Amino acid sequence: DGGITQSPKYLFRKEGQNVTLSCEQNLNHDAMYWYRQDPGQGLRLIYYSQIVNDFQKGDIAEGYSVSREKKESFPLTVTSAQKNPTAFYLCACSKEAAYEQYFGPGTRLTVT
Amino acid sequence: GENVEQHPSTLSVQEGDSAVIKCTYSDSASNYFPWYKQELGKGPQLIIDIRSNVGEKKDQRIAVTLNKTAKHFSLHITETQPEDSAVYFCAASLVGYSTLTFGKGTMLLVSP
Repeated sequence: DGGITQSPKYLFRKEGQNVTLSCEQNLNHDAMYWYRQDPGQGLRLIYYSQIVNDFQKGDIAEGYSVSREKKESFPLTVTSAQKNPTAFYLCACSKEAAYEQYFGPGTRLTVT
Repeated sequence: GENVEQHPSTLSVQEGDSAVIKCTYSDSASNYFPWYKQELGKGPQLIIDIRSNVGEKKDQRIAVTLNKTAKHFSLHITETQPEDSAVYFCAASLVGYSTLTFGKGTMLLVSP
């Protein structure tokens, strides 16, 4: 089955620790995205990548980092510089930039 | 950049009624308008989309209409059912060029 997966579903970390969220897809899509979702805020773009070894900052990139070493993988690191990291994080992919994005199930990160 | 506004933020209907959610966008160059449904604790799922070369698209009980002149588009759900209860997001973009810009979402509650 083709799809996009995120792991883990729930993640708990102490303040000051970096944490990496996994995103994998086997749809052979070129573009991948990371969004942050907070109650009442909709979906805000953190980073996106349209091709391997290249990525661009989205609207709220501060305190986050990404890599795109393989077409199927786009991990997101939430660094200690992110002031308010507790949120629901969504990964998505699409064959063509901005067209028919498919979302993963999300990772809920709680930092205390 | 693109700005998408979505109304209403919450919508309550009785089972069998119709529901309409409206979005406006700011960038007249945008040509792709998807709608996503997000159930509690899950990632958004694409339910219908429309390109700017058509004014309306239907898929069973859901339809989307687009008014390019007024720069607004709407989601119509007929014969609503309790399983339609979810948060719905609209988005806009220029295909192949940029990323999706999302509205802040509408929570639809369908009461039996």
